[in-house]
Amino acid sequence: QTVVTQAPSFSVSPGGTVTLTCALSSGSVSTTHYPSWYQQTPGQAPRTLMYNTNTRSSGVPDRFSGSILGNKAALTITGAQADDDSDYYCMFYMGSGIWVFGGGTKLTVL
Amino acid sequence: QITLKESGPTLVKPTQTLTLTCSFSGFSLNTNGVSVGWIRQPPGKALEYLALIYWDGDERYSPSLKTRLTITKDSSKNQVVLTMTNMDPVDTATYYCAHNSLQILHFDYWGQGTLVTVSS
Repeated sequence: QTVVTQAPSFSVSPGGTVTLTCALSSGSVSTTHYPSWYQQTPGQAPRTLMYNTNTRSSGVPDRFSGSILGNKAALTITGAQADDDSDYYCMFYMGSGIWVFGGGTKLTVL
Repeated sequence: QITLKESGPTLVKPTQTLTLTCSFSGFSLNTNGVSVGWIRQPPGKALEYLALIYWDGDERYSPSLKTRLTITKDSSKNQVVLTMTNMDPVDTATYYCAHNSLQILHFDYWGQGTLVTVSS
């Protein structure tokens, strides 16, 4: 069974830059996994931030960017703001109509 | 505008079968490539993919829960139904439905979620 690993927590100062990553237990992440990223605040449904590795969803500020760094999917926030304080989840398409989520990263902006 | 909304019981007893309905608008599940999926999130824990149904009725399930899940659709009513058998307290979670398609391969629109508690 595939496991997606995310750091449980990260902190960044306002205005700073942070990169969150997701690794696949089965090997390197590639564009064929169609990495996507979701932001979630307490009590709310996930909000889609990024899909197809580096395409921002409608309305998502351009301080959010996606990429593949080495063998991992990455979400970079450049110029973090207070309302970026959230949980972030990555998701990969494993083929055959199966998706898998990461364990989530709690980002603190302070 | 695409919207989805989950409905169903808030409390089920252990061993019972859970039935959840996803009612949606703004798209058709008769359209080539479109799909609707279910994802859950136990309190304080991560998101977990459960199941998905395509416009053509093809069903896909998480390998770890496959034996307990059934997903069906009623395209005329714009609804997708998920059933999960033999519920256990560890299945306590917020259950979300979400829109997907072969063209995008991710969940772009999500329902608000419904909290289901499993307890005797």
